[in-house]
Amino acid sequence: DGGITQSPKYLFRKEGQNVTLSCEQNLNHDAMYWYRQDPGQGLRLIYYSQIVNDFQKGDIAEGYSVSREKKESFPLTVTSAQKNPTAFYLCASTISGQSNQPQHFGYGTRLSIL
Amino acid sequence: AQSVTQPDIHITVSEGASLELRCNYSYGATPYLFWYVQSPGQGLQLLLKYFSGDTLVQGIKGFEAEFKRSQSSFNLRKPSVHWSDAAEYFCAVGLSGRDKVIFGPGTSLSVIP
Repeated sequence: DGGITQSPKYLFRKEGQNVTLSCEQNLNHDAMYWYRQDPGQGLRLIYYSQIVNDFQKGDIAEGYSVSREKKESFPLTVTSAQKNPTAFYLCASTISGQSNQPQHFGYGTRLSIL
Repeated sequence: AQSVTQPDIHITVSEGASLELRCNYSYGATPYLFWYVQSPGQGLQLLLKYFSGDTLVQGIKGFEAEFKRSQSSFNLRKPSVHWSDAAEYFCAVGLSGRDKVIFGPGTSLSVIP
C-alpha cells in the first residue's frame, strides 16, 4: 500500500544534541511538508518542498533544517538551536503542492527532551 | 491576517446524538476547505473537502459539511455519533494560487456511551 512512513515513533533528545526525523513516501508525490503539533495550537508548518533539491521555510523554521535529495525522502533535523523541541511532528505530502490538494499524513514522531 | 478558527476546544456528546463542529475562516476570496480527523497518536485523515459547486459536501464515515459564504463558515456535521468518532478534528483552508494550507487549532470530541 502507498503511504508515508515516519520513524522513529518516539525520539528523545539530550541538551545540545541534533536529532533527525525520517519521512519516506511511496506515493510518487512531488510535494512534502513538515508540521509541528502542540496541544491547542493545531499544526504549524516548519518546512516544505515542492521539488527535489528545493525547499522553503514555513512559519516556524528557526531551529530546524531539512534536505530533499530524493523525491521520496524529506528528513527533518531538529538542531540544538531549537530550545523547545518537545512536540509531535507530522510529515505530509501532496501530488504537486497546490493548496487545493488533500494532504496525506504519516503517523508522526513524538520528540521529548531527556 | 488570514486565520482559521474552531471556536470549540472540546465537545462531549452522547453516542447516537447529532454533532456539529464549527469552523470559521477569514479570507477575501472563497478558499479551498478541508476537514481532517486525527485519532490519538496518529496522523490526520481527510474526511471531506470543498472547492466549488454544491455547498453541502459528503465525506467518509457518515460526515458532511456545509459551506456558508455569508458566514465564512464550513461546519462539520454527523446525524448520529458513534463511540469510534472520538478524536481530534481539524478544519483547514487553502488559498487559490498559494502552496500552503492553514490548519485550525482543532476540536477534541469525546463520546459518552
